[in-house]
Amino acid sequence: ETGVTQSPTHLIKTRGQQVTLRCSSQSGHNTVSWYQQALGQGPQFIFQYYREEENGRGNFPPRFSGLQFPNYSSELNVNALELDDSALYLCATPGQNNEQFFGPGTRLTVL
Amino acid sequence: KQEVTQIPAALSVPEGENLVLNCSFTDSAIYNLQWFRQDPGKGLTSLLLIQSSQREQTSGRLNASLDKSSGRSTLYIAASQPGDSATYLCAVRQFNKFYFGSGTKLNVKP
Repeated sequence: ETGVTQSPTHLIKTRGQQVTLRCSSQSGHNTVSWYQQALGQGPQFIFQYYREEENGRGNFPPRFSGLQFPNYSSELNVNALELDDSALYLCATPGQNNEQFFGPGTRLTVL
Repeated sequence: KQEVTQIPAALSVPEGENLVLNCSFTDSAIYNLQWFRQDPGKGLTSLLLIQSSQREQTSGRLNASLDKSSGRSTLYIAASQPGDSATYLCAVRQFNKFYFGSGTKLNVKP
């Protein structure tokens, strides 16, 4: 068990809608990273939050945004959903040696 | 831009074989490299972490090596078992960004 939880487990939305995904860590670490994993591909880095500020971003448009709260839980928000946004969304927090520990993911389907 | 490649994309072996999975990256300025296992539809389970200053790490039947100058890492699995069947992913950390390969899908036949 990594102690990283994500909700919801599955989600179905339609094109143009907005979605919010959530992540929390038992350890309450001050750093969280979000990833998108399309079917058959490796995870793609979306962004990282450190102490409530964005601290590194991958090649994703601004309609992907995030929040980190004082208790270090985090949200990923995606606006104007597109069919290609259908994927497994993963969050991760670092361990003692800066390894990444992942949550179980949220499966988003956009119709 | 960092690119991570894993070869082969898929591998099927009989139980008991020793096997090697390969990971290559284009920019050697990495902070660390991590190997993961992913079961279908699940999150990633960390297997081994190699810091940029290290050459290898071992955990049970798994051994990972890192040759930063040549941009390569290998994951060696000894005496494979059907329970090892999964997708294996490598990832490199560069500054505050993380880059993954597309994985090697391993099937170990009983």
